[in-house]
Amino acid sequence: GEDVEQSLFLSVREGDSSVINCTYTDSSSTYLYWYKQEPGAGLQLLTYIFSNMDMKQDQRLTVLLNKKDKHLSLRIADTQTGDSAIYFCAESIGGFQKLVFGTGTRLLVSP
Amino acid sequence: NAGVTQTPKFQVLKTGQSMTLQCAQDMNHNSMYWYRQDPGMGLRLIYYSASEGTTDKGEVPNGYNVSRLNKREFSLRLESAAPSQTSVYFCASSGGSNQPQHFGDGTRLSIL
Repeated sequence: GEDVEQSLFLSVREGDSSVINCTYTDSSSTYLYWYKQEPGAGLQLLTYIFSNMDMKQDQRLTVLLNKKDKHLSLRIADTQTGDSAIYFCAESIGGFQKLVFGTGTRLLVSP
Repeated sequence: NAGVTQTPKFQVLKTGQSMTLQCAQDMNHNSMYWYRQDPGMGLRLIYYSASEGTTDKGEVPNGYNVSRLNKREFSLRLESAAPSQTSVYFCASSGGSNQPQHFGDGTRLSIL
């Protein structure tokens, strides 16, 4: 079956690192994505990783993929108040790239 | 950069009314999608269009119809709105298989 799970809430202080975790169930996933949603807005693509990679770094963002455990994480270095948002993990299923989303993790960054 | 544009941004309907949600993209993408977002449930796929001229059901298609009018536009129609369809609707597009999806800002729909 297809299921993506995320913790609901994470609170950090400005300047700390944030780590948002995600587990997925479909071992045939080709790509795994992280999206950011700010209040009243759509989903903004942050980064994505191909399933044959272990890690991808993009400026303050680091994605780690553990295929054995079907675990994906997003690390945000030097977290800023502007990073406060909901973060969605999504896996692509099948050749057409059907996306299955997690329920989202709300990140709150306090000064 | 317009990207994916959705109209309207907000709408209130009465039960039984019909409505069409509009979506247009200017990225020359082949594939387009409609999702709904409900509290605590993430996004669920309603319908998608892999390419111009084709449409297919997603996870939650009941109560909806779609039209891929041309490569740019993909509309979602509620023929007889029900309170259970109160949600935020997102349109997305992508270049095709294994290309990331890009989202519009959403339509917030309330059905009384």
